[in-house]
Amino acid sequence: DTAVSQTPKYLVTQMGNDKSIKCEQNLGHDTMYWYKQDSKKFLKIMFSYNNKELIINETVPNRFSPKSPDKAHLNLHINSLELGDSAVYFCASSLGQGAADYGYTFGSGTRLTVV
Amino acid sequence: EDQVTQSPEALRLQEGESSSLNCSYTVSGLRGLFWYRQDPGKGPEFLFTLYSAGEEKEKERLKATLTKKESFLHITAPKPEDSATYLCAVSGYNNNDMRFGAGTRLTVKP
Repeated sequence: DTAVSQTPKYLVTQMGNDKSIKCEQNLGHDTMYWYKQDSKKFLKIMFSYNNKELIINETVPNRFSPKSPDKAHLNLHINSLELGDSAVYFCASSLGQGAADYGYTFGSGTRLTVV
Repeated sequence: EDQVTQSPEALRLQEGESSSLNCSYTVSGLRGLFWYRQDPGKGPEFLFTLYSAGEEKEKERLKATLTKKESFLHITAPKPEDSATYLCAVSGYNNNDMRFGAGTRLTVKP
């Protein structure tokens, strides 16, 4: 199946731990994104990579570090997790940057719960 | 800074009761306005892109329209399977991503 796939789907961890979320797309897209959706369902951009190059880095704590080994993968590593990091994290991809005729294709999300 | 405001926050309809969702936006040079549908526990699913005022697009019971300040998502004779959160987003020429609104949670009762 062609898609954007994220792992894991659920992640429960203790404060202070370090965790990673992986994302892969097989759509041939050249741009990938990480979005955070908070408890009020508001989607906010965190990072964007185009052909492995970081092009968007919003005001996000430097405990969050994205890594793109190739244009089909964009991983998110989070150090020293805090309670406020609890949210659903979505990976997305698109053909080209910004607006696209077909919008973004989103993964199914990773629900992170920090306890 | 680009901004998107959606209203209402939640909407409950009876099956067959048509209505509209609103998306007001401010952006420096609109590159595109997008509508997405999001089901619980899933990622947003792309519906439409609108590029310029006056443009309209349709898909089944949904029709999206665009003016210079807002977009409407009209739902005609909705069915329970149309229940979802509908998200609006804009992309401007000054940025390389989409800015989303908070969404409208639509519930259609049989």
